[in-house]
Amino acid sequence: NAGVTQTPKFQVLKTGQSMTLQCAQDMNHNSMYWYRQDPGMGLRLIYYSASEGTTDKGEVPNGYNVSRLNKREFSLRLESAAPSQTSVYFCATNFLTRSTNEKLFFGSGTQLSVL
Amino acid sequence: GIQVEQSPPDLILQEGANSTLRCNFSDSVNNLQWFHQNPWGQLINLFYIPSGTKQNGRLSATTVATERYSLLYISSSQTTDSGVYFCAVGSSNTGKLIFGQGTTLQVKP
Repeated sequence: NAGVTQTPKFQVLKTGQSMTLQCAQDMNHNSMYWYRQDPGMGLRLIYYSASEGTTDKGEVPNGYNVSRLNKREFSLRLESAAPSQTSVYFCATNFLTRSTNEKLFFGSGTQLSVL
Repeated sequence: GIQVEQSPPDLILQEGANSTLRCNFSDSVNNLQWFHQNPWGQLINLFYIPSGTKQNGRLSATTVATERYSLLYISSSQTTDSGVYFCAVGSSNTGKLIFGQGTTLQVKP
């Protein structure tokens, strides 16, 4: 039972390159989220998916796209990486209904550097 | 949007001491969670507590929603409690959370 798995753990990109961060969960949760964490700051929401087939913007969506591939997988794509996207990226999941909002569980993070 | 302020920003304790971390928020919320980020960067959910009081071992949390604050109590602190503690709040049923800047705790042996 792995919980929330993110790949890769580390990545270095050159400005303008593209890449996809992968997230998979085996917790049978319906909602998935992508956050970024910059040094000395809290986490900021990039995109989220309340359920399979839906995605919505968070606080800082510019420069990113997402795909909710199925219930288990939620990917984050950088089409043309910029140095401002250097950060640690966290995927998170929980079980969400109209009346229930449960604990958020995080993956171990992806440390991304854009040169 | 909702503003979240945590205090103090930094805290240094001797092992065995108690501490209280505070989270103030600017609007009504229906979702409040506390997280611990350990020195290796892993984020652990401590409490889901939009109101009331909960306890888990040496940790407890209280949220007074009507007064827009939450407190996290750490008793008999241990070096493994070191790290950053985040409060996060939400006001919709989307699951979206706004994080505070965190309180960095260092527990010395």
